[in-house]
Amino acid sequence: EPEVTQTPSHQVTQMGQEVILRCVPISNHLYFYWYRQILGQKVEFLVSFYNNEISEKSEIFDDQFSVERPDGSNFTLKIRSTKLEDSAMYFCASKSSGSGGELFFGEGSRLTVL
Amino acid sequence: DAKTTQPPSMDCAEGRAANLPCNHSTISGNEYVYWYRQIHSQGPQYIIHGLKNNETNEMASLIITEDRKSSTLILPHATLRDTAVYYCIVYNQGGKLIFGQGTELSVKP
Repeated sequence: EPEVTQTPSHQVTQMGQEVILRCVPISNHLYFYWYRQILGQKVEFLVSFYNNEISEKSEIFDDQFSVERPDGSNFTLKIRSTKLEDSAMYFCASKSSGSGGELFFGEGSRLTVL
Repeated sequence: DAKTTQPPSMDCAEGRAANLPCNHSTISGNEYVYWYRQIHSQGPQYIIHGLKNNETNEMASLIITEDRKSSTLILPHATLRDTAVYYCIVYNQGGKLIFGQGTELSVKP
């Protein structure tokens, strides 16, 4: 069964450092998402991406965050200068079409900011 | 904010049916009811979705009331591996999924 893969599974970084989280969505999917989940809290939407541009972003997704699809397969989330409160699980998801179908989620990347 | 109300937790005996309720009294005509679950801290996993009619797949059944204001997810024979947080989400199939707090289901031996 096709799946969304994310790397790294766990990253530890110092406050103020840049972090890039990588995702390989399912190959024929066109819509891509990042969500995050702070420990013990609910899953929160960060950003959606379609046709090489951001479709929608939440208030969490400030200027410190950016997304990119650098080639035909990867979808990345960059945090420019990490803060302690960025520590969370980050989930990538993809969907085949805009008007139907379910989101498929990856297993997540755990980010720990010290 | 999530447009659904779910009990925060439920228990179920292994081998019995788990019936998870969800209220969505403000659902619009073009919105579907989706169910996802999250086992421990893994990525959310799609279970089932429906618009008006009851639906069944290999994982679960979804019963939607005639007025569409509530629904029930049924796991017919719960196993220990079904212990997870179950999310009921109202979704118009475009845009983003919005997760609420969900129901933490504990399946006990």
